[in-house]
Amino acid sequence: EVQLVESGGGLVQPGGSLRLSCAASGFTFSSYAMSWVRQAPGKGLEWVSAISGSGGSTYYADSVKGRFTISRDNSKNTLYLQMNSLRAEDTAVYYCAKGLSKSGTTPTHYYYYMDVWGKGTTVTVSS
Amino acid sequence: DIQLTQSPSFLSASVGDRVTITCRASQGISSYLAWYQQKPGKAPKLLIYAASTLQSGVPSRFSGSGSGTEFTLTISSLQPEDFATYYCQQLNSYPFGITFGPGTKVDIK
Repeated sequence: EVQLVESGGGLVQPGGSLRLSCAASGFTFSSYAMSWVRQAPGKGLEWVSAISGSGGSTYYADSVKGRFTISRDNSKNTLYLQMNSLRAEDTAVYYCAKGLSKSGTTPTHYYYYMDVWGKGTTVTVSS
Repeated sequence: DIQLTQSPSFLSASVGDRVTITCRASQGISSYLAWYQQKPGKAPKLLIYAASTLQSGVPSRFSGSGSGTEFTLTISSLQPEDFATYYCQQLNSYPFGITFGPGTKVDIK
């Protein structure tokens, strides 16, 4: 069974840092792009960042560029999101999501449709 | 940046109704659009990708259409388990970007 389990969320003060992890199982992790998507309380979905299967290409929303860093360890089947200089507006549930298609098998945009999601981890930025 | 709008933002419907949700992009995005369903307290679920391709395991009462700037998600006969919020999502390759629409909440009439 394909499964994603996020961890690392918690309460942090403004300006602080946090690292989220997403443990993947049930599929060949290195073959798939991965994304982070967040949802502030009572709000809609916001894409945060994405990374190619190899980790060689990374992408960020303007709202987090320069503050967040996405990475992956394909030997550990784990995706990460390092979040620095956190702000109150970063408060949200953070989901990791698996890309739909294996790298190299379909047009590029198929890699970043999100077909499996974790349950999410909650990040609260408050003093 | 490409912006997405959805209409309506809220929809009240009955079981058995045909429901249509529209997603409009601020510029042409070919068919690079997906639809997701989200229930309260749960992660989103992929319904449709590449504008009209039904994701494996999704009931055939869901369908998607459109290209360019206007897209629709149709539920042919609303079922009790379909009451949820629906989001469209676009992918832009150059420069890379992913945007979600603001969502459409489908509620019980």
